Amino acid sequence: DVKVTQSSRYLVKRTGEKVFLECVQDMDHENMFWYRQDPGLGLRLIYFSYDVKMKEKGDIPEGYSVSREKKERFSLILESASTNQTSMYLCASSFGGRSETQYFGPGTRLLVL
Amino acid sequence: GQNIDQPTEMTATEGAIVQINCTYQTSGFNGLFWYQQHAGEAPTFLSYNVLDGLEEKGRFSSFLSRSKGYSYLLLKELQMKDSASYLCAALFNNAGNMLTFGGGTRLMVKP
Repeated sequence: DVKVTQSSRYLVKRTGEKVFLECVQDMDHENMFWYRQDPGLGLRLIYFSYDVKMKEKGDIPEGYSVSREKKERFSLILESASTNQTSMYLCASSFGGRSETQYFGPGTRLLVL
Repeated sequence: GQNIDQPTEMTATEGAIVQINCTYQTSGFNGLFWYQQHAGEAPTFLSYNVLDGLEEKGRFSSFLSRSKGYSYLLLKELQMKDSASYLCAALFNNAGNMLTFGGGTRLMVKP
């Protein structure tokens, strides 16, 4: 079974703090994704990576950066957290093909005070 | 844009059949996924359609009409554990490997 894990299920941070969200997958997938999920807005793609050290912006990259130094690990960074970044963050991974199924991690619920 | 539209909420009775619809813009369309997401949990893959027609998997079936920009997820013999959100997501040619998700349909199954 594919396993995608995220470093925290719940996180509380203060405005202005730097926040790291880690995601690890154990299936040697090429693609990894970071989404945020908000009520009424569905899942929105922040960034994705199709290979080590490669990244592409999704629909809402502003205020976020990412890092992929190893194939199995994809990090989402909030340089200076703001209250409008309070959300559920979901990581996903897939094999390299366009139509490959994405497998999701359990999510990190981030509250920025 | 590539809007994906699906109803926000639906309610159905245990043992019944429910159909959750999803519409999308046809330009550049290249495949459609359905995911199930229980409250507080990760979305899990249900189905993938790229050709027209019905794909059946046990109690769940998914239908696609490419020309109409329309898909539905059919759940038969509903069980209480089917209460969840159902996410429709589409692939478009001009969006690389990125999925575009609808807002999700929250299904409540009542006894």
